[in-house]
Amino acid sequence: DVLMTQTPVSLPVSLGGQVSISCRSSQSLVHSDGNTYLHWYLQKPGQSPQLLIYRVSNRFSGVPDRFSGSGSGTDFTLKISRVEPEDLGVYYCLQSTHFPPTFGSGTKLEIK
Amino acid sequence: EVQLVESGGGLVQPGRSLKLSCVASGFTFSNYGMNWIRQAPGKGLEWVAYISSGSSYIYYAETVKGRFTISRDNAKNTLYLQMTSLRSEDTALYYCARYGYKSYYFDYWGQGVMVTVSS
Repeated sequence: DVLMTQTPVSLPVSLGGQVSISCRSSQSLVHSDGNTYLHWYLQKPGQSPQLLIYRVSNRFSGVPDRFSGSGSGTDFTLKISRVEPEDLGVYYCLQSTHFPPTFGSGTKLEIK
Repeated sequence: EVQLVESGGGLVQPGRSLKLSCVASGFTFSNYGMNWIRQAPGKGLEWVAYISSGSSYIYYAETVKGRFTISRDNAKNTLYLQMTSLRSEDTALYYCARYGYKSYYFDYWGQGVMVTVSS
């Protein structure tokens, strides 16, 4: 299985600040069809995960432009600018290029 | 509005069986592949099983293969997960999640149903 390594595990942030979360895969996530199936989710406390970014850099419906994704190959980043209280929770990356789909272990965004 | 509502969870003894259901609404259920994903208490996310829109393609995680069966009834807009030979390590919150149309991501998730395997 593809191992997804997220760093950091915990990320203290001041409201209004900017943060980056890293996700690295144990093998390239470029699919044979040319797409890269790396996605980002946020799980708010007590809620189910919600899709933020799909295929590296595409914001899902309703996701504010404070969230942006980038990267290629095996190295990916989620950036959150102007952090708001509603952004707090655990962020997960997901790869679905290779079977089975695998998630990163999560990064907890919390108030500094 | 897309809605996925799971049910059927509970406390079950090791070795016993349980069947989960997920009722979908707000979209044409028969057009979408569906998944079960689980989260052990305080842990991360683990994909469990996938079924294509017409049930032609079915895949399982190695950890559940041979013990769990995913199925669906498109006439009832319902997804199922039959779990047998349950183990303590199957204890988790089980989510049903829709596969985005012609995509490879889970775009909508239910609120989850808890399964606890303990004697």
